[in-house]
Amino acid sequence: DQQVKQNSPSLSVQEGRISILNCDYTNSMFDYFLWYKKYPAEGPTFLISISSIKDKNEDGRFTVFLNKSAKHLSLHIVPSQPGDSAVYFCAANSGGSNYKLTFGKGTLLTVNP
Amino acid sequence: DTGVSQNPRHKITKRGQNVTFRCDPISEHNRLYWYRQTLGQGPEFLTYFQNEAQLEKSRLLSDRFSAERPKGSFSTLEIQRTEQGDSAMYLCASSLFGSGGLIAGEQYFGPGTRLTVT
Repeated sequence: DQQVKQNSPSLSVQEGRISILNCDYTNSMFDYFLWYKKYPAEGPTFLISISSIKDKNEDGRFTVFLNKSAKHLSLHIVPSQPGDSAVYFCAANSGGSNYKLTFGKGTLLTVNP
Repeated sequence: DTGVSQNPRHKITKRGQNVTFRCDPISEHNRLYWYRQTLGQGPEFLTYFQNEAQLEKSRLLSDRFSAERPKGSFSTLEIQRTEQGDSAMYLCASSLFGSGGLIAGEQYFGPGTRLTVT
């Protein structure tokens, strides 16, 4: 049962344009959401997060939007740069005491020069 | 470098052998997590420690798997009698958990240990 879903395995955009990566979740208990970026042969790198009490969080070129009623979040990267090419994972945790993360399968973003 | 480190980075072993991986978390982090990632999937939670106490184990962690964090610093993950299905990337992550709750939800990952069982 995939509780965090990233339905687009890949996305290709032109340098300078906006990249939008989407994520859906099914577990209503999730209350904190994170995006990680992963380059080949490296571990995931934390990018940005959002609490369920917010609907938007921005950090430089990266903005995460959360729509709780739709159980949907998205990551916007603008402007996209070739160095952003990586696999992006959406993750969620349900707070409680363990804060273990549940990940989606990832979306491969390719930014073309 | 003060990030999370993992050793070895790669391990090739024959089916039936035992293997052990090590994780050194960020020094001030009191929580340590192990995840497993297979091809085409996101990382899956295996277990976690707060200081030296192992507080939760996933059903993915069969009896052949054991993890320790003896002094609340580094951790080891041992797989006994390896099987081909154990081939995966094993990721370690650490975070800071405070008395007032989680300081931040972010977990910081190491580079992983890629296990290949032949």
